Amino acid sequence: AQSVTQLGSHVSVSEGALVLLRCNYSSSVPPYLFWYVQYPNQGLQLLLKYTSAATLVKGINGFEAEFKKSETSFHLTKPSAHMSDAAEYFCAVRPNNAGNMLTFGGGTRLMVKP
Amino acid sequence: GAGVSQSPSNKVTEKGKDVELRCDPISGHTALYWYRQSLGQGLEFLIYFQGNSAPDKSGLPSDRFSAERTGGSVSTLTIQRTQQEDSAVYLCASSQSGVPTDTQYFGPGTRLTVL
Repeated sequence: AQSVTQLGSHVSVSEGALVLLRCNYSSSVPPYLFWYVQYPNQGLQLLLKYTSAATLVKGINGFEAEFKKSETSFHLTKPSAHMSDAAEYFCAVRPNNAGNMLTFGGGTRLMVKP
Repeated sequence: GAGVSQSPSNKVTEKGKDVELRCDPISGHTALYWYRQSLGQGLEFLIYFQGNSAPDKSGLPSDRFSAERTGGSVSTLTIQRTQQEDSAVYLCASSQSGVPTDTQYFGPGTRLTVL
């Protein structure tokens, strides 16, 4: 079974600082990987996805993530945090050989200090 | 264009009552998913519909939960004899097809509170 681990349920950064949100997956076969963002009282919005093309994936709002098979990781980064980035971020995996549902990590709440 | 819509946005019910939650997917999307988001369990898959195929019900937590999708569009999630542990945000998502690389677009959710 696929699983996703997000290290750090809460991450706090200063405005302008680097954002790094960690995601590791477990799978015998490289899956498809997704990052979603959830603002308060809203649904989930896709930031970016890895579908076995380029390993460095660029998304919306200046975010990017790099798929590293050797580390089974798909960490999310942004060079400079904005106050508007404060939200909860979810990493999700979807198997590429069976099943259609997303399996989500526990989420990381990003706080941005002025 | 219009996104995924869900109704009601909030539902408060008494333990033991039945509730129905509605999802309107993006027009033309053949795949529809229900997830549940709760403090204790995080985001969990419940059920998946793809076209006219039999739904994947592998995530439903008990036989009190059921869902249907009429005419390949609108879906209703029904919870019978609600329990306090059913309190959660129920999220609906749709995608253009069932291909694993497709993006799932999420609605704003229905917050269910069981007293």
